Amino acid sequence: QLQLQESGPGLVKPSETLSLTCTISGGSITSGTYFWAWIRQPPGKGLEWIGNIYYSGSTFYHPSLMSRVTISVDTSKNQFSLKLPSVTAADTAIYYCARHFWHAPFDSWGQGTLVTVSS
Amino acid sequence: DIQMTQSPSLVSASVGDRVTITCRASQGISSWLVWYQQKPGKAPKVLISAASNLQSGVPSRFSGSGSGTDFTLTISNLQPEDFATYYCQQASRFPYTFGQGTKLEIE
Repeated sequence: QLQLQESGPGLVKPSETLSLTCTISGGSITSGTYFWAWIRQPPGKGLEWIGNIYYSGSTFYHPSLMSRVTISVDTSKNQFSLKLPSVTAADTAIYYCARHFWHAPFDSWGQGTLVTVSS
Repeated sequence: DIQMTQSPSLVSASVGDRVTITCRASQGISSWLVWYQQKPGKAPKVLISAASNLQSGVPSRFSGSGSGTDFTLTISNLQPEDFATYYCQQASRFPYTFGQGTKLEIE
């Protein structure tokens, strides 16, 4: 059974870089034509798709974050990562990693990790 | 971006009731519409994909309909475990976007 697990610092200072990793178990990041995505949810608020990476390495980002966000994949570790520099309090959220096919739902999710931006 | 607008934002209902949640897309998305259920402290769970396809293991009291820009999620015979927040999401084109959510609370 596919499992995704987010990891990374839970506290990041303003203006610094938020870095998270999603480790996949029970399947390979290169198997099938999947997208691997990051989604975030500010506490008590709705869901926002950040972007994703295709198994081939192609990336797609939300226009509002495109200038800041980088999603990369490390096939040797079966992981993909998120980097978001120059964070502000507005980036405080639960960050989820997830998987989906084209036109299909996010069918596998990590448990989510809360990242707080504060000095 | 395609804007997804859900209504209502909050609905109060009782066990056994029937509830309908609507989702409107700012432009046509064919049937590329997904419904999720989210409970506190948990990741969203897929209920329905492609507007009306019930996911495996999801009770048949959940149903979805619509195409183009207007979609509905109907929950019949509400059960205690159904009280949660529901989101729609368009899977037509990037950036994928979600509705703002509908909280279903016990009346």
